[in-house]
Amino acid sequence: EPEVTQTPSHQVTQMGQEVILRCVPISNHLYFYWYRQILGQKVEFLVSFYNNEISEKSEIFDDQFSVERPDGSNFTLKIRSTKLEDSAMYFCASSSLKPGDRVSYEQYFGPGTRLTVT
Amino acid sequence: AQSVSQHNHHVILSEAASLELGCNYSYGGTVNLFWYVQYPGQHLQLLLKYFSGDPLVKGIKGFEAEFIKSKFSFNLRKPSVQWSDTAEYFCAVKRADKLIFGTGTRLQVFP
Repeated sequence: EPEVTQTPSHQVTQMGQEVILRCVPISNHLYFYWYRQILGQKVEFLVSFYNNEISEKSEIFDDQFSVERPDGSNFTLKIRSTKLEDSAMYFCASSSLKPGDRVSYEQYFGPGTRLTVT
Repeated sequence: AQSVSQHNHHVILSEAASLELGCNYSYGGTVNLFWYVQYPGQHLQLLLKYFSGDPLVKGIKGFEAEFIKSKFSFNLRKPSVQWSDTAEYFCAVKRADKLIFGTGTRLQVFP
C-alpha cells in the first residue's frame, strides 16, 4: 500500500540554524500538508499546498517557515532560523481529493520527523 | 474558534474490556469528523470518518463511532479491546483545508 514517507526520522539542530524536513507524498496525490505536534500538546495544522502554492496557513507558519515542491515527488518544509520552541514532531500528509470532496476525503500521514533544537 | 476536546488523556484497560473515548467539538455548522490512531512508532492512520448519513460509523479493526449532533460529540467505541489496540487515538474535525485535532488519548491495554 502506498505510504507517505519522511526524512530524517530525527533531526537535531542548534538554535539559529536552518533545517529542511523532507516528505515524499503518495504519488498520485495533489494536496499536501504539514502539521506539528509539540510534546504533550495537540497536533496543529501548519500549512496546506496545492498547485505549487500555499492554499492555507496557520498563525504558526510565519516568515521563518517555507514550503516547496522542488520536483515531482518531494515536498519540503524549511525553517530558516530555528528556535527552541520549534522542537516538535513534524508530520507531512497528502490527499488525492479536494477538501470539498466530502465522502472519500482523507489525509494520509507520514511517520513524522522529530526535530530537536538545542 | 473551532476546537476539538478529548477529555480522556490516558486510559488503561484489560483485554476484552469495552472502550469508549470521548470527543467533543465546538462548531455549529456541517462537520466532517475523523478518528485517527497512531500505534507506537508508526504514522497516523485513519480509523473511521463521518461526513453525512448514518450517524453510527463503522471503521477498521472493530471500531465504531457515533455522531450525536445535539451533544456535539463523536465518541469512539469498541466492544472488546485487544492488547494490539494499545496506541494513541486522535479525534479531528475538518475545517476548510485542514484538520483540527484533539489532544489525543493514550490507550494502554494489558493482557
